[in-house]
Amino acid sequence: DIQMTQSPSSLSASLGDRVTITCRASQGISNYLAWFQQKPGKAPKSLIYAASSLQSGVPSKFSGSGSGTDFTLTISSLQPEDSATYYCQQYNSYPRTFGGGTKVEI
Amino acid sequence: EVQLVESGGGLVQPGGSLRLSCAASGFTFSSYSMNWVRQAPGKGLEWVSYISSGSSTLYYADSVKGRFTISRDNAKNSLYLQMNSLRAEDTAVYYCARDGGNGYYYEFCDWGQGTLVTVSS
Repeated sequence: DIQMTQSPSSLSASLGDRVTITCRASQGISNYLAWFQQKPGKAPKSLIYAASSLQSGVPSKFSGSGSGTDFTLTISSLQPEDSATYYCQQYNSYPRTFGGGTKVEI
Repeated sequence: EVQLVESGGGLVQPGGSLRLSCAASGFTFSSYSMNWVRQAPGKGLEWVSYISSGSSTLYYADSVKGRFTISRDNAKNSLYLQMNSLRAEDTAVYYCARDGGNGYYYEFCDWGQGTLVTVSS
């Protein structure tokens, strides 16, 4: 199974900050990497697929990059509504696996 | 608008069974592969199972293999998860998730609101 490791596990930032979350795969996954946002008590929401492509309707403040084993999610100009837990997930192989999550507090 | 609505969750005793359903609308259900993903209370996301659009390909997490069965009825736009021999560690919110297409390399693009399964005596 491919292990996905996210860092940090949590972070605290200020309004307007730019934050970066890192996700590392235990083996190469090309660009088969997605990012999700989850707010407390809610279902996950798809943000990014193919490492850097935005899902329809997702604001451009979210951006992703990387290929192979190392990936990043960047949120620019942090706003209160961005407070959530963010997960990366690989879809290069089964079982699909998720990172442990990064809780972003503002 | 894509809608995925899960149902069938509840309280069940260890060793018991439960069948979850996911009603889909707003897209051509028969053209997309589907998944179940779960989240234990206070924990992260865990993929559970996958079914291709025509039900020819199925995958399961090792943690549920031999106990859970995924199926779908394209005529009814519905996805199912039959869960047998339930254990306390199966307690979680179960989400259905639509793939971005039908095939091996597609991301989860839409999620239902989830249904809670509690396994306890």
